[in-house]
Amino acid sequence: AQSVTQLDSQVPVFEEAPVELRCNYSSSVSVYLFWYVQYPNQGLQLLLKYLSGSTLVKGINGFEAEFNKSQTSFHLRKPSVHISDTAEYFCAVSESNSWGKFQFGAGTQVVVTP
Amino acid sequence: GAVVSQHPSRVICKSGTSVKIECRSLDFQATTMFWYRQFPKKSLMLMATSNEGSKATYEQGVEKDKFLINHASLTLSTLTVTSAHPEDSSFYICSAREGLAGGKTQYFGPGTRLLVL
Repeated sequence: AQSVTQLDSQVPVFEEAPVELRCNYSSSVSVYLFWYVQYPNQGLQLLLKYLSGSTLVKGINGFEAEFNKSQTSFHLRKPSVHISDTAEYFCAVSESNSWGKFQFGAGTQVVVTP
Repeated sequence: GAVVSQHPSRVICKSGTSVKIECRSLDFQATTMFWYRQFPKKSLMLMATSNEGSKATYEQGVEKDKFLINHASLTLSTLTVTSAHPEDSSFYICSAREGLAGGKTQYFGPGTRLLVL
């Protein structure tokens, strides 16, 4: 069975500063990796995903993530955040042999202040 | 792009009543759908896997008689919370898998907020 750990429950950051959200996973099989954002009282929006190929994945809204197989990590980064990036961010894993069945991390609340 | 809808978006019911939540894939066929619940300020927990034309597969600890899942067509799965109680209040989110394994995308619905009084 897989597990997902988001190391930071909350990340405060100033506007226009960079941000990194950490995600580590464990699995006995190959995995697909995802980052989702959730705004208050809304559903999930896909930021980016890693299925195969290049380990550096670029997503929407200026976000990118890097898959590191040896460290079993998939950290999310943005070089310059906006106030509108204030939201909850979830890292998720789907094992290759059970595609679509997601295990979510606990989430990281990003709070951007002026 | 593909869209998954949920209905209703919000529902308030009395304790002891049953509530049905629909999840529809609007422009693709979904042989498999998934149901998650999210408690306030918590992550999403997978409840069950809904397979078209067969019984749902429930995660450990989820009461199948409490949360009835029906996947009668390739575009519709329903979750019925039977004899709802206040502790069933939660945000329920479905997702639909387009196509078979790998390379296909998972789409999440907008969620249904259930409040049981």
